[in-house]
Amino acid sequence: DQQVKQNSPSLSVQEGRISILNCDYTNSMFDYFLWYKKYPAEGPTFLISISSIKDKNEDGRFTVFLNKSAKHLSLHIVPSQPGDSAVYFCAGGSNYKLTFGKGTLLTVNP
Amino acid sequence: DGGITQSPKYLFRKEGQNVTLSCEQNLNHDAMYWYRQDPGQGLRLIYYSQIVNDFQKGDIAEGYSVSREKKESFPLTVTSAQKNPTAFYLCASSIMGGTGELFFGEGSRLTVL
Repeated sequence: DQQVKQNSPSLSVQEGRISILNCDYTNSMFDYFLWYKKYPAEGPTFLISISSIKDKNEDGRFTVFLNKSAKHLSLHIVPSQPGDSAVYFCAGGSNYKLTFGKGTLLTVNP
Repeated sequence: DGGITQSPKYLFRKEGQNVTLSCEQNLNHDAMYWYRQDPGQGLRLIYYSQIVNDFQKGDIAEGYSVSREKKESFPLTVTSAQKNPTAFYLCASSIMGGTGELFFGEGSRLTVL
């Protein structure tokens, strides 16, 4: 049972445009959601989080939107830069445990 | 510098051998975790520990064992009972009562020959 789903394995965008990464979840008990960025053979690094009681959180070029009724969240990156090219993982959390999606490979073309 | 140190970065093992992956943190975090990453599978939780001398199974604990004798250390043993041990293993830690953010180490790549 996959509690966190990232249905797009990959996404390609042009530099300067918006990147939108999507994530769906089934577990209503998640208290918070996080996005991580990962390069090959490295550990994931934290990007941004959102509490389940919020619908938006913004940090610089990164904005996360949460739609609880649809059990859907998205990460917007504006403007996208070539250095943003990486795998992005969405995760839902409760009781200090995170459940991750399978990731989306973002490629930002110069 | 504070952080999480995993060793070794690369490890080769013959079938039937146990192997232990080290994870040390100096962030003074209470909770520690082990995740496994396989291509196309995302990160799956193996074991986690929220306090010294206590740990819980995650989603894929079979064939693995852990110990938490010290707050700073959370070693993972991949036993011969683990049927598919070749993977990238990630250790993480977090504070209790925070925003839920996990801090990850650089990972250990285990290959079974």
